[in-house]
Amino acid sequence: QLQLQESGPGLVKPSETLSLTCTVSGGSISSSSYYWGWIRQPPGKGLEWIGSIYYSGSTYYNPSLKSRVTISVDTSKNQFSLKLSSVTAADTAVYYCARRVGATTIDYWGQGTLVTVSS
Amino acid sequence: NFMLTQPHSVSESPGKTVTISCTRSSGSIASNYVQWYQQRPGSSPTTVIYEDNQRPSGVPDRFSGSIDSSSNSASLTISGLKTEDEADYYCQSYDSSNDWVFGGGTKLTVL
Repeated sequence: QLQLQESGPGLVKPSETLSLTCTVSGGSISSSSYYWGWIRQPPGKGLEWIGSIYYSGSTYYNPSLKSRVTISVDTSKNQFSLKLSSVTAADTAVYYCARRVGATTIDYWGQGTLVTVSS
Repeated sequence: NFMLTQPHSVSESPGKTVTISCTRSSGSIASNYVQWYQQRPGSSPTTVIYEDNQRPSGVPDRFSGSIDSSSNSASLTISGLKTEDEADYYCQSYDSSNDWVFGGGTKLTVL
């Protein structure tokens, strides 16, 4: 059974960089036809796609966040990571990592981790 | 990018049928598969419908999905409502740039 687990600081200061890692267990992050992505959900609000990386290494970012986002993969550790720079209080959210199958569903989600931006 | 618009909330009584709509702002709804996710409070979303109308194993057949090109929208229908169906539901699709697009979510109340 595939499992995804987010990890990283729960508190980040304004203007700093938010860094999260998603560790994948029970399967290889290098398997073909999968996208690995980050999605966030501000408290009481809806889901927002941040960006994703294909197994080949191609990256895709939400145009509204593109200038601040970097997603990378470490196949040796079976992990992928998110960096979001110049954060503000508006970036406070539960951050989920997830796997998408080809052109279809997001079939696995992490449990989510709350990141609060505050001084 | 296009937008997916959902009603903010819907409510219905147990045993009844409810339909949640998801309207695509531009481009054809049939261009890319639509998925539906259920999210209960404090939990991660789970798929209830994928590829417009397919149910993952374990999802009851009370859940069904469809698309309508004339209204450029997708719909999630839940029949025989149970209190356990009370949750937030999100539609989701992709655009030509491989961006993942989510609807704003619909809060389903079963009362």
